[in-house]
Amino acid sequence: GENVEQHPSTLSVQEGDSAVIKCTYSDSASNYFPWYKQELGKGPQLIIDIRSNVGEKKDQRIAVTLNKTAKHFSLHITETQPEDSAVYFCAAPQGYQKVTFGTGTKLQVIP
Amino acid sequence: DTEVTQTPKHLVMGMTNKKSLKCEQHMGHRAMYWYKQKAKKPPELMFVYSYEKLSINESVPSRFSPECPNSSLLNLHLHALQPEDSALYLCASSLQGMGVDTQYFGPGTRLTVL
Repeated sequence: GENVEQHPSTLSVQEGDSAVIKCTYSDSASNYFPWYKQELGKGPQLIIDIRSNVGEKKDQRIAVTLNKTAKHFSLHITETQPEDSAVYFCAAPQGYQKVTFGTGTKLQVIP
Repeated sequence: DTEVTQTPKHLVMGMTNKKSLKCEQHMGHRAMYWYKQKAKKPPELMFVYSYEKLSINESVPSRFSPECPNSSLLNLHLHALQPEDSALYLCASSLQGMGVDTQYFGPGTRLTVL
C-alpha cells in the first residue's frame, strides 16, 4: 500500500517569510495529491491539490509542486500570516477508495 | 456549497451509554466516510459508504456501528465505548468514493468517554 512521509513535523517562521512542507510517497501509480489545513478544533480543509499531469499549481500565496520522478510533492506558502498557523496534512491515494495521510506539520507563524 | 455538517459538536458519554453521531452533506456526493482522529495524529479511516452501501470497514470494533439512511446522511451509532475511544470523529464526503476524489470534511464531533 501507499506510504506517505511528511517533513518537517514542526515549523516556525517569522510573519512574511516563506514556509515549505515536503511529502514523499511510495506508489508510483499515485496521481492525486491534496493538501489539507486543520485549525485547532476544526476538521481538515482542502487548501490545494495537484494531479499528476501538471508539475506545479498556484493559488495566491499557496503553491504545490510535484516531482513524479523523485516521488515527492511540496507545499509552499509565501508571505506567511498568523492565520496560516495550523497543522497541514498531505495525502495520496491508497488503492481504489482510500487515501493515506502524511503525519502532519504544525506550522507556527510568529508575528 | 462544499459544507459537511456534523452534530453534536461535543459529546460526553459513559461506557454504558448509547449515542449517535450524525453527518449531512448536500453536495450530491455518493461517498461518505467516518474517520477517527487522535491528538497530533492524522485522520484514521474507519468506514466508507459508496452509493449507500458499506464498502470499507477498517476492522473497527463492533461497538461502532455505521448507518447510511440515504445519500445525504451518515450516522455512527456508539455503544459500550471505552475511554480509549475518546477522540475527534470526522465525517467526510466525496463525489464517487474514489481515491482520486477530493474529500470534504466536516468540523468533527469531539467525543469523551468516561
